[in-house]
Amino acid sequence: GAVVSQHPSWVICKSGTSVKIECRSLDFQATTMFWYRQFPKQSLMLMATSNEGSKATYEQGVEKDKFLINHASLTLSTLTVTSAHPEDSSFYICSAGQPGQVKYEQYFGPGTRLTVT
Amino acid sequence: GIQVEQSPPDLILQEGANSTLRCNFSDSVNNLQWFHQNPWGQLINLFYIPSGTKQNGRLSATTVATERYSLLYISSSQTTDSGVYFCAVNQAGTALIFGKGTTLSVSS
Repeated sequence: GAVVSQHPSWVICKSGTSVKIECRSLDFQATTMFWYRQFPKQSLMLMATSNEGSKATYEQGVEKDKFLINHASLTLSTLTVTSAHPEDSSFYICSAGQPGQVKYEQYFGPGTRLTVT
Repeated sequence: GIQVEQSPPDLILQEGANSTLRCNFSDSVNNLQWFHQNPWGQLINLFYIPSGTKQNGRLSATTVATERYSLLYISSSQTTDSGVYFCAVNQAGTALIFGKGTTLSVSS
């Protein structure tokens, strides 16, 4: 199946700093990628839809100025957490599929665990 | 938006037992996927099953799209089956919406 990678797998940063997370589709092109956040013992919650070459679409309650998304190529989307605070500590996961295929299966990256101290 | 409900929320089994996990969804969907989240957080694709029945080893799944539910069967459970099982659905081109998951614990 298709492979999606994320980097870094984990990161610890100080409060007030910014952190960039990369999501790559390794063996297919993805015009759309999705970013999710998962808090401990909870389900995955959609944060935003990342569209190649255009602005991301954010879910209600997600601060677009805090979570900057850039989808500059068909294989790379980045999520930057700006001025991170301890409450931003979470597990961030991206997914991508192959739109236009009859079988629009979503593939998920391994996730990035962010800890803000 | 679409609502996804999974049951039971928690399941405790002895090794070798069988189990059935259920996923109900509130509207028609184009895609339904089952995942197993391992202890490191990685989501493992189990099935892409918008309709019909599929089997993969000890796991099988059935989706009855007209009645808006899907079932995941685990037979002869093993300790390595422990973890959280998620059902997720979407409509054409949109993001997957996840249920709250079923936490499975299999003891030897």
